[in-house]
Amino acid sequence: NAGVTQTPKFRILKIGQSMTLQCAQDMNHNYMYWYRQDPGMGLKLIYYSVGAGITDKGEVPNGYNVSRSTTEDFPLRLELAAPSQTSVYFCASSSRRASGRQSTDTQYFGPGTRLTVL
Amino acid sequence: GQQLNQSPQSMFIQEGEDVSMNCTSSSIFNTWLWYKQEPGEGPVLLIALYKAGELTSNGRLTAQFGITRKDSFLNISASIPSDVGIYFCAGLISGGSNYKLTFGKGTLLTVNP
Repeated sequence: NAGVTQTPKFRILKIGQSMTLQCAQDMNHNYMYWYRQDPGMGLKLIYYSVGAGITDKGEVPNGYNVSRSTTEDFPLRLELAAPSQTSVYFCASSSRRASGRQSTDTQYFGPGTRLTVL
Repeated sequence: GQQLNQSPQSMFIQEGEDVSMNCTSSSIFNTWLWYKQEPGEGPVLLIALYKAGELTSNGRLTAQFGITRKDSFLNISASIPSDVGIYFCAGLISGGSNYKLTFGKGTLLTVNP
């Protein structure tokens, strides 16, 4: 298994440009997430998905959009890039256990995409 | 929203020393998670805690879920140079389709050989 993969690794955008950050997982996980990590700020949840066709906002969704047409893929879209979106973006996935422990929710993270908006 | 206070922000220790870091919150969580992140990598889960009072070990790492469900600590015994990294706590609220994972700001650990 490749686990969680993200592309690209690095990207520089001009203000107002758009781009899609790709995320894929091959572990058949139903849950997928997008986080951004700013220096000294930990990770903040942008969007998450509990399964194909279902997405929901996290803590900082403004300026982003997501879709989940398949279990494997969870792309993150920036429509009008702004300098405030300069960050490292991490995708993660987990498999929710239906019984036993309340939820293991062991999240597996991708290697990240470093985005700079100038 | 929920806020996690993680301390200390950074630690510089000698190899062989023990390390302790903690997270506190004004909110209750039903799961506490501890992650380690190395430069250029995504966070990797170290320990997961599922009920109040739970004490769990993973090698030289020990973590506890506070009785009040509002705090957790992570201890590392006999530190080694490869323990270097940023350690994050995260509190999880989940139930039904509701899911919210809140991260602390991290503890940067440096180990001097």
